[in-house]
Amino acid sequence: GENVEQHPSTLSVQEGDSAVIKCTYSDSASNYFPWYKQELGKRPQLIIDIRSNVGEKKDQRIAVTLNKTAKHFSLHITETQPEDSAVYFCAASIGYGQNFVFGPGTRLSVLP
Amino acid sequence: NAGVTQTPKFRVLKTGQSMTLLCAQDMNHEYMYWYRQDPGMGLRLIHYSVGEGTTAKGEVPDGYNVSRLKKQNFLLGLESAAPSQTSVYFCASRRQGRYGYTFGSGTRLTVV
Repeated sequence: GENVEQHPSTLSVQEGDSAVIKCTYSDSASNYFPWYKQELGKRPQLIIDIRSNVGEKKDQRIAVTLNKTAKHFSLHITETQPEDSAVYFCAASIGYGQNFVFGPGTRLSVLP
Repeated sequence: NAGVTQTPKFRVLKTGQSMTLLCAQDMNHEYMYWYRQDPGMGLRLIHYSVGEGTTAKGEVPDGYNVSRLKKQNFLLGLESAAPSQTSVYFCASRRQGRYGYTFGSGTRLTVV
């Protein structure tokens, strides 16, 4: 079955710096890769996603890149702000199906 | 428009007790999911439903049962609670053809 690994598990950056979180997946049939942000005590919220027919997608300070050959995708946050501090989860669709496997999460801390 | 509502928000159970968690969505979504979230393990799928009257097992279904008698409600039952079921439980829903989840606010369950 699908296995999703995520690195690093914790990440601290200075405000204004960039942050990169990487995920790898095992199922070559996976075709959709969302990223969720979960603030402390809150529900996960979708922040960006990418489909397998696209190599990169950008939304303001957030971007996601996908390398299907290597089976990895990454979240890039530029000009980080304190409100970016949260746990970020990547996920990969299970084959062509409608369910997802989540990575274990990355706790991002943006230091002022 | 409430989105996805979970009840209760907190609960403490004794080992062997039973309980039902309720998830209700008012977005007319076809798909509904129950996840559990444990530290360092991300979100793991317990059961899911692709429509009224249908349910299916996810990654970690043992010890749980579900029912989807109405399209807007998805119930998660614990017949005989165990300490290993101490976790935060999230319900999610999404529209058929769309991949992004809408999560509920979570239920923190402690089994002592």
